[in-house]
Amino acid sequence: SQTIHQWPATLVQPVGSPLSLECTVEGTSNPNLYWYRQAAGRGLQLLFYSVGIGQISSEVPQNLSASRPQDRQFILSSKKLLLSDSGFYLCAWAKWEGTEAFFGQGTRLTVV
Amino acid sequence: GQQLNQSPQSMFIQEGEDVSMNCTSSSIFNTWLWYKQEPGEGPVLLIALYKAGELTSNGRLTAQFGITRKDSFLNISASIPSDVGIYFCAGPLMKTSYDKVIFGPGTSLSVIP
Repeated sequence: SQTIHQWPATLVQPVGSPLSLECTVEGTSNPNLYWYRQAAGRGLQLLFYSVGIGQISSEVPQNLSASRPQDRQFILSSKKLLLSDSGFYLCAWAKWEGTEAFFGQGTRLTVV
Repeated sequence: GQQLNQSPQSMFIQEGEDVSMNCTSSSIFNTWLWYKQEPGEGPVLLIALYKAGELTSNGRLTAQFGITRKDSFLNISASIPSDVGIYFCAGPLMKTSYDKVIFGPGTSLSVIP
């Protein structure tokens, strides 16, 4: 069966510090991978998606970047965090484009 | 941009009551997805719908793919306290080369024992 792992679960970082969140998927190959952000009590905003290694599409201009160095690894990064980067970050995978996505447990990021 | 709208925004119900919520869009969707999210967790897929008019159940949950393909409904029968959470509808939005899954703003459900 397929599983998705996302870490860390919680993170407190000072403004201006770098960020690296990692997500890995097991039990499938060539998944579509997604990063979403969820502000408190709000819906999910799609940040990045990837249909293959090295292929990243960005949905909104922001202080973040994503990379996919391996087929089942998706990384969310920032060189310098802003206060507004605080939120709940969710990684997800889907087998094919546009099909149901399955989510990791999320990372609660607080920038102080 | 394209959006999904959900109503109601929040619900407070007594345990044992039935729940109805819906999701609408100005665009046509070929797939409708319903997720539940509990505090501090990632959303969990409840039901996926693939055909207009389709009615699918998962235990006490029943979802329907609207015949116009622009809406979907989720019903929960005989609610229990563990039904508490935020319910999201979602669907793949067609783009020029590939789809992306977008989410509605969610319906927050509170169940009073």
